[in-house]
Amino acid sequence: DGGITQSPKYLFRKEGQNVTLSCEQNLNHDAMYWYRQDPGQGLRLIYYSQIVNDFQKGDIAEGYSVSREKKESFPLTVTSAQKNPTAFYLCASSIGGSGNTIYFGEGSWLTVV
Amino acid sequence: GQQVMQIPQYQHVQEGEDFTTYCNSSTTLSNIQWYKQRPGGHPVFLIQLVKSGEVKKQKRLTFQFGEAKKNSSLHITATQTTDVGTYFCAATDSWGKLQFGAGTQVVVTP
Repeated sequence: DGGITQSPKYLFRKEGQNVTLSCEQNLNHDAMYWYRQDPGQGLRLIYYSQIVNDFQKGDIAEGYSVSREKKESFPLTVTSAQKNPTAFYLCASSIGGSGNTIYFGEGSWLTVV
Repeated sequence: GQQVMQIPQYQHVQEGEDFTTYCNSSTTLSNIQWYKQRPGGHPVFLIQLVKSGEVKKQKRLTFQFGEAKKNSSLHITATQTTDVGTYFCAATDSWGKLQFGAGTQVVVTP
């Protein structure tokens, strides 16, 4: 199947621990994104990458880090510096970076206790 | 970055009724996209509008882009329970990033 695969779907972590969310796509898309969604709210951009080995901060990058070593992979690390990490995290990709249709993965629910 | 405002935030609809959700911007938009997110799911692309005054239809859904390209609407006729979900509009900001509105959460009563 073609698409975007996020793992794990559900994750529980203790406060103060870093956690890495995986995102893999086989759509051959150049651009990849991470969004955060809080209950009943919209999508906020954390980081995005338009090409391998390059990425930019989105609107809420503090407390998060990413890497883009391969075209198909864009993992997100939620660090202990993120003050309120419990949320639904969505990875997405698009053919190009500007104004193109975005395709989303199924998301990862992170709960920090 | 670019901000798009969606109204209403919540829409409670009786099955069979029509409703409209709106997306507004203070600046001219190059294009607008609409996405639907079912409860517990992920956003799925519905449509993109590019031209001033453009109207596109998908079965019972009608999408419109304003003449000034500052607003857009989604009209659903004869609402069904399958229409439940949150509808997002999204627009490309001046840095080329897609900015999402806060969404309209639609609840359908049988």
